[in-house]
Amino acid sequence: EIVLTQSPATLSLSPGERATLSCRASQSVSSYLAWYQQKPGQPPRLLIYEASNRATGIPARFSGSGSGTDFTLTISSLEPEDFAVYYCQQRSNWPLTFGGGTKVEIK
Amino acid sequence: QVQLQESGPGLVKPSQTLSLTCTVSSDSISSINYYWSWIRQPAGKGLEWIGRISTSGSTNYNPSLKSRLTISVDTSKNQFSLKLSSVTAADTAVYYCAREMATIPNYFDYWGQGTVVAVSS
Repeated sequence: EIVLTQSPATLSLSPGERATLSCRASQSVSSYLAWYQQKPGQPPRLLIYEASNRATGIPARFSGSGSGTDFTLTISSLEPEDFAVYYCQQRSNWPLTFGGGTKVEIK
Repeated sequence: QVQLQESGPGLVKPSQTLSLTCTVSSDSISSINYYWSWIRQPAGKGLEWIGRISTSGSTNYNPSLKSRLTISVDTSKNQFSLKLSSVTAADTAVYYCAREMATIPNYFDYWGQGTVVAVSS
């Protein structure tokens, strides 16, 4: 099973600041990685797929990069609605696995 | 716009079978050969993929749950279902149903709102 490790666990930032979230895989997943955003009481929402492709309707301030074992989700300028938990997910190997999440909180 | 809605008992006794159904609306579940998944999330924790089924009935299961798991589809009712046997407190979670992307499988672009299932006597 591929283990995805996200860091940091919590990121404390102010609106307007840049957020950089990391996801590291225990073995190469090529570019088969997605990012999701989850707010309290809601299901996850797909942001990025195949490491760098924005899903339908996702603002351009969200971008993804990386390949192999190291991936980054960047939010260029945080909006109030961006404070949430973010998860990465790989589809390279069965079973599909998710990272433990990074909480982006208001500083 | 596809909508998914989970339903089932909110409380299950230990050693019994957890049964949930996901009803898909605004689209025929069999119109295209999508894959439909179950994913769960214990309170305050991360996400665990449980398993999936295609509209033609092909399944993939998480090996950690495979011995206890059955996922089925009923295209006539636009539903797919989850049965997890011999449950313990560790199976307490929010259970989501989700649809995989049409163009690239194994990523989830539509989700239900989730249903809370507690395992307790």
